[in-house]
Amino acid sequence: DGGITQSPKYLFRKEGQNVTLSCEQNLNHDAMYWYRQDPGQGLRLIYYSQIVNDFQKGDIAEGYSVSREKKESFPLTVTSAQKNPTAFYLCASSQQGTSTEAFFGQGTRLTVV
Amino acid sequence: GDSVTQMEGPVTLSEEAFLTINCTYTATGYPSLFWYVQYPGEGLQLLLKATKADDKGSNKGFEATYRKETTSFHLEKGSVQVSDSAVYFCALSLAAAGNKLTFGGGTRVLVKP
Repeated sequence: DGGITQSPKYLFRKEGQNVTLSCEQNLNHDAMYWYRQDPGQGLRLIYYSQIVNDFQKGDIAEGYSVSREKKESFPLTVTSAQKNPTAFYLCASSQQGTSTEAFFGQGTRLTVV
Repeated sequence: GDSVTQMEGPVTLSEEAFLTINCTYTATGYPSLFWYVQYPGEGLQLLLKATKADDKGSNKGFEATYRKETTSFHLEKGSVQVSDSAVYFCALSLAAAGNKLTFGGGTRVLVKP
């Protein structure tokens, strides 16, 4: 079955540690996105990539980094510079072109203690 | 910048009641409009979409019409079920902006038997 896989579903880290969240898709989509969701709030864009080896900052990129070495993969690193990293992180992908919807993974809930 | 505003929740209804969730947008171009649904602890699923003025998106008894003159995309369902309890997000995307989604804050709907 085609889809987007995020792992792990739950992640705990100590303050000051970097952590990398995995996102893999087998939909052959060109574009991939990372969103952050805080309780009771909407989704905010962290980074997005429209093509391999290229990515752009979203609205809240500070304290995060990404890479896009393969079409299928778009890992997100939450660095120690992120002031409030505890959140629900969602990865999505879409085909290029107009009017195309995004498909989402099941999310990773990161808790920093 | 581009933005989406939707009514705040929670919205509490009895089974078989009529549901409306208001959504309005501002955009620099001609956006595509979406409604996504999120069940507890999960990612987002596309509920319906519309790509041009006067288009009506529909799915699972939900409907929304793209109203360019009022910049709105209100979600409606004539008779809700307990299984419709979820958080609903209105969103827009612009091809000129890389198709990245801009979300409203989400509306939690609770349907009681």
